[in-house]
Amino acid sequence: NAGVTQTPKFQVLKTGQSMTLQCAQDMNHNSMYWYRQDPGMGLRLIYYSASEGTTDKGEVPNGYNVSRLNKREFSLRLESAAPSQTSVYFCASSEERSGVHWETQYFGPGTRLLVL
Amino acid sequence: KNQVEQSPQSLIILEGKNCTLQCNYTVSPFSNLRWYKQDTGRGPVSLTIMTFSENTKSNGRYTATLDADTKQSSLHITASQLSDSASYICVVRDYGNNRLAFGKGNQVVVIP
Repeated sequence: NAGVTQTPKFQVLKTGQSMTLQCAQDMNHNSMYWYRQDPGMGLRLIYYSASEGTTDKGEVPNGYNVSRLNKREFSLRLESAAPSQTSVYFCASSEERSGVHWETQYFGPGTRLLVL
Repeated sequence: KNQVEQSPQSLIILEGKNCTLQCNYTVSPFSNLRWYKQDTGRGPVSLTIMTFSENTKSNGRYTATLDADTKQSSLHITASQLSDSASYICVVRDYGNNRLAFGKGNQVVVIP
């Protein structure tokens, strides 16, 4: 049981390049999330997917797109990377159910992205 | 303004000593408050969760308290170990929009 896995672990991009961050979970969770974590700031939600086939914007969605490929996989795409997108990106999943607020979010190990 | 404020930002403690981390929040109403531990280079891992009706919750040497009236929570680490060196993040779930509000974390360094 691997939990939440992310690839790649590290990436260096030049300004304007594109890339896709991959995330997969094997816990059969309905909901998946993408966060970014910057020094001196709390985790900020980029996008989330409450269930397969749905995606919604979070707090900081500009410059990103997402795809919920199936129940297991949720990818984050940077179409034209900018230095401001240098960050550590975390994917998370949880068993969200309507009206239930107990769920734990399980986080992946993170992807460290540097945009030059 | 951040809805979840944590203090101190960082602290260094001797192995075997106790410490207490503080979390003040403005989220209202809230459905639960959770403390996560994040080791360097890893994703956060849940330590405790409390609803508004709970005052204390323990997980081994970690004890969280909650005062919903003053909107304050604390995380007490007893008999610290080197493995307790990490960032501890306070997270409050907003009952209205079901979103999570994250604190910036308390960075704890335990030295021998």
